[in-house]
Amino acid sequence: AQSVTQLGSHVSVSEGALVLLRCNYSSSVPPYLFWYVQYPNQGLQLLLKYTTGATLVKGINGFEAEFKKSETSFHLTKPSAHMSDAAEYFCAVSEAGNQGGKLIFGQGTELSVKP
Amino acid sequence: DVKVTQSSRYLVKRTGEKVFLECVQDMDHENMFWYRQDPGLGLRLIYFSYDVKMKEKGDIPEGYSVSREKKERFSLILESASTNQTSMYLCASRLNRWYEQYFGPGTRLTVT
Repeated sequence: AQSVTQLGSHVSVSEGALVLLRCNYSSSVPPYLFWYVQYPNQGLQLLLKYTTGATLVKGINGFEAEFKKSETSFHLTKPSAHMSDAAEYFCAVSEAGNQGGKLIFGQGTELSVKP
Repeated sequence: DVKVTQSSRYLVKRTGEKVFLECVQDMDHENMFWYRQDPGLGLRLIYFSYDVKMKEKGDIPEGYSVSREKKERFSLILESASTNQTSMYLCASRLNRWYEQYFGPGTRLTVT
């Protein structure tokens, strides 16, 4: 069965510091992987996705993530945090073609950015 | 841009009431989904629909039903609301299983 683990329910960084949000997954077939962001009182917005091809994926707002099959990881990074990055971030995995490609979400990581 | 709208942002209902949550998407997407979001639990799938008049149970369907009579509209029904159904409800849609999901703004439901 698929599962997603996000390490750390809360991460705090200073403005300008590196952002690293960790995501590990389990999947029996090559996965599709996603990062979503949720700002307060809003729905989820897609940050980036990995399906096939290049393992380093660039997304919106300066975020990127790298698919590492050997480590079953898909960590999200941003070189320099901005105050507007404060939000909750969700990693998700989908086995496209299997069970209709349902998304399985991690529990979420809340990112705080200190001035 | 894809737009997914939900009928209410905030809703307060009494225990035992029948509750309808409506979701509409404007991009001719085949698939639609209902999730609930609770602190520490992430998003959990309640029901999804591959196409009109089709529905599949998700991970936590108990106490819920759905209806999809038209392609653009997917309704979540709480037949008899209970306090443990107090939650944030998120609707999503996608073109088909090879694509990402797009989410609505959510409905925060409180059952008293």
